[in-house]
Amino acid sequence: SQTIHQWPATLVQPVGSPLSLECTVEGTSNPNLYWYRQAAGRGLQLLFYSVGIGQISSEVPQNLSASRPQDRQFILSSKKLLLSDSGFYLCAWSPRDTPNYGYTFGSGTRLTVV
Amino acid sequence: AQSVTQLGSHVSVSEGALVLLRCNYSSSVPPYLFWYVQYPNQGLQLLLKYTTGATLVKGINGFEAEFKKSETSFHLTKPSAHMSDAAEYFCAVGRSGGYQKVTFGTGTKLQVIP
Repeated sequence: SQTIHQWPATLVQPVGSPLSLECTVEGTSNPNLYWYRQAAGRGLQLLFYSVGIGQISSEVPQNLSASRPQDRQFILSSKKLLLSDSGFYLCAWSPRDTPNYGYTFGSGTRLTVV
Repeated sequence: AQSVTQLGSHVSVSEGALVLLRCNYSSSVPPYLFWYVQYPNQGLQLLLKYTTGATLVKGINGFEAEFKKSETSFHLTKPSAHMSDAAEYFCAVGRSGGYQKVTFGTGTKLQVIP
């Protein structure tokens, strides 16, 4: 069966520090991968999605970047965190050619920038 | 283009009462529709989905939803609320063809009163 792992679960970082959040998927090949952010009272915001290795699309211009160095690995990064980067970050995957499958989410990372 | 509107950011029901969470969608092509549930500090979990066929869809934990094309609605119901149903619920719409992007609603927080 397919599983998605996301870490760390919680993170407290000072303003101006770098960020790296990692997400890996097991049990499937060629998944579509997504990074979402939930800020308080703002619902789910799609940040990045990827349909293949090295293929990243950004939905919202911001202080963050994403990379997909391997088929089932998706990394969210920042060189210098801002206070506004605080939030709950969720990784998700979906099968490449099965649009009615829906998304499967990781357990999330709570990021607090202080 | 596609969009989802969830009516009511907060809904309160008494334990044992009917749960009704409203969702209306907009889609230029036949949609795929999803309901997800999110417990505090966790990722989203798929409750149920409509793709094709039967318009009444049954999901986990006793929830069901009915796809009504004429009303562009996909409301989520449960006959009798349980304390464990307290969570945030997200409606989402997707479509076939090309890159499978799912659009999420802003969520409805369900409070169950004992």
